[in-house]
Amino acid sequence: GAVVSQHPSWVICKSGTSVKIECRSLDFQATTMFWYRQFPKQSLMLMATSNEGSKATYEQGVEKDKFLINHASLTLSTLTVTSAHPEDSSFYICSARDEGLDTEAFFGQGTRLTVV
Amino acid sequence: QKEVEQNSGPLSVPEGAIASLNCTYSDRGSQSFFWYRQYSGKSPELIMFIYSNGDKEDGRFTAQLNKASQYVSLLIRDSQPSDSATYLCAAQDSSASKIIFGSGTRLSIRP
Repeated sequence: GAVVSQHPSWVICKSGTSVKIECRSLDFQATTMFWYRQFPKQSLMLMATSNEGSKATYEQGVEKDKFLINHASLTLSTLTVTSAHPEDSSFYICSARDEGLDTEAFFGQGTRLTVV
Repeated sequence: QKEVEQNSGPLSVPEGAIASLNCTYSDRGSQSFFWYRQYSGKSPELIMFIYSNGDKEDGRFTAQLNKASQYVSLLIRDSQPSDSATYLCAAQDSSASKIIFGSGTRLSIRP
């Protein structure tokens, strides 16, 4: 299957700081990327969908000014958690899809964020 | 609100038996369906996808799709302890470029 690389795999940051998470598709063009958050023992929660070169579409209840998403190229999307607080501590996962090929979505390895 | 429903489990199956996981979806226009496996602390990995009514087999896994009943299932034959994980059913949203996930079923294979 296609490879999606997510970095970093884990990060610890101080409350009030910002954290950037990168998601790269290594061997295909990711026309669409998805960002999810998953709390322990809970299901994936879709935060937003981003298409290359356009603004992300956020799910209801997700603050777009707090979770900044940039999808500047067909192989890279970033999620920046701004002014992080302990309640933002979670497992963040990206997935990528090539809409043109109508393929399944491939997941990155996930980023475990801990805000202290 | 488009939804994918799964029994949260846990589903306990003896080693060597068949594990049967079920899922229903609300979006009648969905055309593509996926089963992902997620180990604790890891991100999901794709096991199978299915587009057409009927069965699709891949090794020990068989996905079944019934669009009339809006029902998807995954059968795991000869269950192994390594199959113990959470299994996520997902459906392609027919009107938006996103995949809708169920809440997952925890499967436990007991030796």
